[in-house]
Amino acid sequence: GENVEQHPSTLSVQEGDSAVIKCTYSDSASNYFPWYKQELGKRPQLIIDIRSNVGEKKDQRIAVTLNKTAKHFSLHITETQPEDSAVYFCAASRGRNAGNMLTFGGGTRLMVKP
Amino acid sequence: DSGVTQTPKHLITATGQRVTLRCSPRSGDLSVYWYQQSLDQGLQFLIQYYNGEERAKGNILERFSAQQFPDLHSELNLSSLELGDSALYFCASSFRHNTEAFFGQGTRLTVV
Repeated sequence: GENVEQHPSTLSVQEGDSAVIKCTYSDSASNYFPWYKQELGKRPQLIIDIRSNVGEKKDQRIAVTLNKTAKHFSLHITETQPEDSAVYFCAASRGRNAGNMLTFGGGTRLMVKP
Repeated sequence: DSGVTQTPKHLITATGQRVTLRCSPRSGDLSVYWYQQSLDQGLQFLIQYYNGEERAKGNILERFSAQQFPDLHSELNLSSLELGDSALYFCASSFRHNTEAFFGQGTRLTVV
């Protein structure tokens, strides 16, 4: 089955700096890649997603890039703010071929220091 | 608010007991997914239902079972509970395959 690896497991940045989180996936049939943000004790919230027919997607300070050939995708957060501090999870899905089951990476704990 | 409702929010029970967690998906969503998140762990996929039928199965223990009812709500049954089953259990729903999945607020299960 699908295996998603996420790096780094923890990331500390200064407020205003950029943060980059990287994920690799194993199943070349995966075609949907969402990113979730989870604050302490709360539910994961979808922040951005990308499909395999797109190489890059941007939403304000957040962007995601996808390299299908290398089977990796990344989350980029610019101008980080203290409220960006949370655990971020990447995920991959083969879509209807696997019931849209999301396989999650292990998570990255992002700490933004004021 | 994601529109996905889970009850109860907290549950404390003893080892060997059985509990039922409930999930109501967003209006119109046909897929329901169950995930387990242990302390400081990632999200482990348990099982998915689509329009009443089991669609995908992850690392779900035999002591665990789930179902989706005609009104599309879902229940996750955990039996013969062990201390290691203590975790946050999340339900998520999506409209159909390969679309955004929205999570409920989770049920925190503590087995003592």
